[in-house]
Amino acid sequence: GAVVSQHPSRVICKSGTSVKIECRSLDFQATTMFWYRQFPKKSLMLMATSNEGSKATYEQGVEKDKFLINHASLTLSTLTVTSAHPEDSSFYICSAYLQGKGTDTQYFGPGTRLTVL
Amino acid sequence: QKEVEQDPGPLSVPEGAIVSLNCTYSNSAFQYFMWYRQYSRKGPELLMYTYSSGNKEDGRFTAQVDKSSKYISLFIRDSQPSDSATYLCAMSADGYIPTFGRGTSLIVHP
Repeated sequence: GAVVSQHPSRVICKSGTSVKIECRSLDFQATTMFWYRQFPKKSLMLMATSNEGSKATYEQGVEKDKFLINHASLTLSTLTVTSAHPEDSSFYICSAYLQGKGTDTQYFGPGTRLTVL
Repeated sequence: QKEVEQDPGPLSVPEGAIVSLNCTYSNSAFQYFMWYRQYSRKGPELLMYTYSSGNKEDGRFTAQVDKSSKYISLFIRDSQPSDSATYLCAMSADGYIPTFGRGTSLIVHP
C-alpha cells in the first residue's frame, strides 16, 4: 500500500516551453501532497505544499507564478513549470501524506527528471 | 549549524558487513524519525519509521533513536550489493513535513 506515481519519468523540453508533471496516489486518498526538488548529491528541497481544493503553500524563494500547482482531486496533484529555462533542470519529486495507518508520513513518487535545453 | 547533519559518504563496505548510518540534529522538538532509501534516479522509499526514542527492528534493518544525544542510527546487517543506495534520515516535530539530511551514499561491493 501507499503507492505514489509520477508522470512523466523523464522530460526534455526547449527553453521557454511549459512542462506539466502529474503526481498520483494510487491506493489512498491524499488531501495533502508535496513537491520537492533535488539537485545531484543534495537532499530534498521542499518547494510547496499542495492541498486539495485550495491554493498551494510555497516555500520561501519559490516563485509561485513559475511553478504552478493544482491539486484538483484527492489523488492527483500537478506541477507545471512555466517558461522553463535551463536552470530549472532538476529532479522533481512529489509525495503524498498518508495519515491514520500508524505511520503518518509522506510517501514519495519515483521522481521526474526535467532537462531544459 | 544545520538542523540535521548527515555525512554524505560515500561509505564503502564488503558484502556481509554490518553498516552503521547516523544523523545528528539540533531541534529538540523532533519526535518522528524516518529513514528513507533512495536508489539512483528514483524517489525515496520509506524504510523505517520511529516515534520518540528507542529501537525498532525490521528484518536486517534496525533503527535507533537517542533523543538525549540528538542522535539517530540505522544499522543494516548482512549487507548486500542491492543495499547500495543513498540513505536519507528525516525527522519532524509533528510527523507532517520532515527535515531531511543530505543523505549518505552506501556502496556494498561483492
